[in-house]
Amino acid sequence: GQNIDQPTEMTATEGAIVQINCTYQTSGFNGLFWYQQHAGEAPTFLSYNVLDGLEEKGRFSSFLSRSKGYSYLLLKELQMKDSASYLCARQTNPGGSYIPTFGRGTSLIVHP
Amino acid sequence: ETGVTQTPRHLVMGMTNKKSLKCEQHLGHNAMYWYKQSAKKPLELMFVYSLEERVENNSVPSRFSPECPNSSHLFLHLHTLQPEDSALYLCASSQVRENSPLHFGNGTRLTVT
Repeated sequence: GQNIDQPTEMTATEGAIVQINCTYQTSGFNGLFWYQQHAGEAPTFLSYNVLDGLEEKGRFSSFLSRSKGYSYLLLKELQMKDSASYLCARQTNPGGSYIPTFGRGTSLIVHP
Repeated sequence: ETGVTQTPRHLVMGMTNKKSLKCEQHLGHNAMYWYKQSAKKPLELMFVYSLEERVENNSVPSRFSPECPNSSHLFLHLHTLQPEDSALYLCASSQVRENSPLHFGNGTRLTVT
């Protein structure tokens, strides 16, 4: 996946906080997306970062450091329904088009 | 109907068959994508159409042939496939804009026998 790295699997407890990291190749970078994919379903959009810093959306936040090629997704007050795969996608912009390339995804298991 | 619709949901085909996957989006988007999702692998980008022109062909074998007749419809024509082509094929659409996320269909689960 063009040097997009994220952990394969993580486990956490209901009510806790979990941080899912993603590192990526910085050349040609034009934005970083996070998606959630439940088993047997299509991925759905969670967040977008293009500038350094933290974007907060309810229980989910996403952070970006462009110089370090690093992002994380922070999930607070975990619920059982948060058990899913979380996909990091790096976007490039060749010739005016927008091309997202995905990492392998992090499978998050939330225990009661 | 809203969103991105893919048909069929499931497809079983022999290696000598020819079949087509269909994708339709009702979101007014102007870019469409085919991705392949296999177990334990990242989503693999196959083809991208931006403003109805193919802009990315990610070294996909010629047994896969895309067609985009207009900005709302995308097809993937399949012929002489191999068992390793068995996977979930996902269609997505977006606006040609920096912060526009992908909207995915539910995919076609393809099994090649």
